[in-house]
Amino acid sequence: AQSVSQHNHHVILSEAASLELGCNYSYGGTVNLFWYVQYPGQHLQLLLKYFSGDPLVKGIKGFEAEFIKSKFSFNLRKPSVQWSDTAEYFCAVNAWRGSTLGRLYFGRGTQLTVWP
Amino acid sequence: GAGVSQSPSNKVTEKGKDVELRCDPISGHTALYWYRQSLGQGLEFLIYFQGNSAPDKSGLPSDRFSAERTGGSVSTLTIQRTQQEDSAVYLCASREPSTYEQYFGPGTRLTVT
Repeated sequence: AQSVSQHNHHVILSEAASLELGCNYSYGGTVNLFWYVQYPGQHLQLLLKYFSGDPLVKGIKGFEAEFIKSKFSFNLRKPSVQWSDTAEYFCAVNAWRGSTLGRLYFGRGTQLTVWP
Repeated sequence: GAGVSQSPSNKVTEKGKDVELRCDPISGHTALYWYRQSLGQGLEFLIYFQGNSAPDKSGLPSDRFSAERTGGSVSTLTIQRTQQEDSAVYLCASREPSTYEQYFGPGTRLTVT
């Protein structure tokens, strides 16, 4: 069965610090990769996605992620975090089986707390 | 345009009662998902509908849980004989067919007393 691992359960940073959240998945085939964010009291929303092409993808609010196929990883990065980035971050993977796209698998989430 | 909507937004029920949670996906989205989000538990997949295919029910935690999707649009998640451990936020999402992005609803907060 597929799985998605997020290495950090809770990350605490000061403003302007750099961020990297790890995400690894276990599926050898073609995948679509996502990072979602949930700000306090709000819906889950898409931060960025990778389907194909350039493995370095840029999302909203200065976030980026790099797909490294050989490592089955899709780590999220931001060079300088802000207090407003305090939220929970979820990595998710959709696997293709032939021409069929299966369900989305989510990691357990990483709570990011940024101190001003 | 309108996003995914869910109703009710909050539901308090007594242990042993049945509840129905509703999801209205974005028009044109053929794939629909139900998840459960509990404190500290992340997102737990429940069920996935894709067009006319048989739903993927592999995430339903027990036979007290069922879901249906009528006419390829609105979906209802039913929990029978609710238990306290069913207390959670139940999220619905629909998937955009060309970009594969999932759009989430605001959720239904279920509290079983």
